[in-house]
Amino acid sequence: GEEVAQTPKHLVRGEGQKAKLYCAPIKGHSYVFWYQQVLKNEFKFLISFQNENVFDETGMPKERFSAKCLPNSPCSLEIQATKLEDSAVYFCASSQGLAGENNEQFFGPGTRLTVL
Amino acid sequence: TQLLEQSPQFLSIQEGENLTVYCNSSSVFSSLQWYRQEPGEGPVLLVTVVTGGEVKKLKRLTFQFGDARKDSSLHITAAQPGDTGLYLCAGAWVNQGGKLIFGQGTELSVKP
Repeated sequence: GEEVAQTPKHLVRGEGQKAKLYCAPIKGHSYVFWYQQVLKNEFKFLISFQNENVFDETGMPKERFSAKCLPNSPCSLEIQATKLEDSAVYFCASSQGLAGENNEQFFGPGTRLTVL
Repeated sequence: TQLLEQSPQFLSIQEGENLTVYCNSSSVFSSLQWYRQEPGEGPVLLVTVVTGGEVKKLKRLTFQFGDARKDSSLHITAAQPGDTGLYLCAGAWVNQGGKLIFGQGTELSVKP
């Protein structure tokens, strides 16, 4: 598609429950990025993929967070045993190449996760 | 970890006034992107600056990239209520792979 699509728009989970978020990148874009926006303004990088391969996972809290980008499927970000501090808006972005090589990232509308 | 300092964090002005938002780092960027985000939506790309000293204009918005590629500014002329929103700068460095490092954001409110 021409835009990054994210589902669901909103997700509410009880503490300890699993949460799964989906992202469909722009067609033709090789890179997918996940960011977490907490407290409205703070963006934190989580993980990136080059096609179906993990490219950079330095931002991922490895204990409970996992992500995949499988061929012919939306990418996913999964949080096992959610905690209150996981409440945030999760954004997916895609690009043709790397930002460090002057490629632009285009963001989806985000998934707002609320952990109660 | 490179830090990106964005200022001011909050700005409330009257319609017709001018304003400038600043984005600074101690490291040299390979590129810097400016985004605007409205409530409940994702950031929308406004511009990418790449070359030191570069100036780009988007209607009433002027973006500058410092000669040393360590700082950038966004200047809005004759602000309008429709300019209200969160403005974010995001830098990229070659040694940071593909990810963007975001500034703290500037919440702009333009009152009629």
